[in-house]
Amino acid sequence: GAVVSQHPSWVICKSGTSVKIECRSLDFQATTMFWYRQFPKQSLMLMATSNEGSKATYEQGVEKDKFLINHASLTLSTLTVTSAHPEDSSFYICSANGPKGLALETQYFGPGTRLLVL
Amino acid sequence: SQQGEEDPQALSIQEGENATMNCSYKTSINNLQWYRQNSGRGLVHLILIRSNEREKHSGRLRVTLDTSKKSSSLLITASRAADTASYFCATAPNTGGFKTIFGAGTRLFVKA
Repeated sequence: GAVVSQHPSWVICKSGTSVKIECRSLDFQATTMFWYRQFPKQSLMLMATSNEGSKATYEQGVEKDKFLINHASLTLSTLTVTSAHPEDSSFYICSANGPKGLALETQYFGPGTRLLVL
Repeated sequence: SQQGEEDPQALSIQEGENATMNCSYKTSINNLQWYRQNSGRGLVHLILIRSNEREKHSGRLRVTLDTSKKSSSLLITASRAADTASYFCATAPNTGGFKTIFGAGTRLFVKA
């Protein structure tokens, strides 16, 4: 149980286009999901906290108009990279808190989406 | 900076040796977790230690937590080549919510 999926697993796009990444909790409901970005050989940097039915909370330095987050249901959060540029190329990882009633403190991570902007 | 610090940044050992990685963090926490990441892959959760715990074991893994020093260590005993990966500590600040902040990571290379 507690599986998180991401789609697509990798994407290549042209500079200036927008890319949407989906994060789904497959067998549990997640009121809170998180989006991270990881550059090569670096750690995960938290971008934003996504709460179902409300606006996302962005970390300092993350442009909310650049990285649009929508958490429309308890099992789906989406991250849209708008007007992508080569510097947005990165590994994007989402996570969701554990199922209600169980270990809420445990986060379950998706497999990541590798974005390459040409 | 979001991140805590981990040392060493990189560690190369022979198979069979023990590997110790250290993590320091900045804020008061609810818990600290260790994750493993193979190159270019997703994260694998290894172990969670709560702020009121001092030591925890799981198989060949031993984690310690010193909240007075805001530090933790991960010991992998009898390492194997398959343990080669990056290891990250991640803290859950007790500021409300379930946000997780990752350390910079240690890249472990175990030579066969």
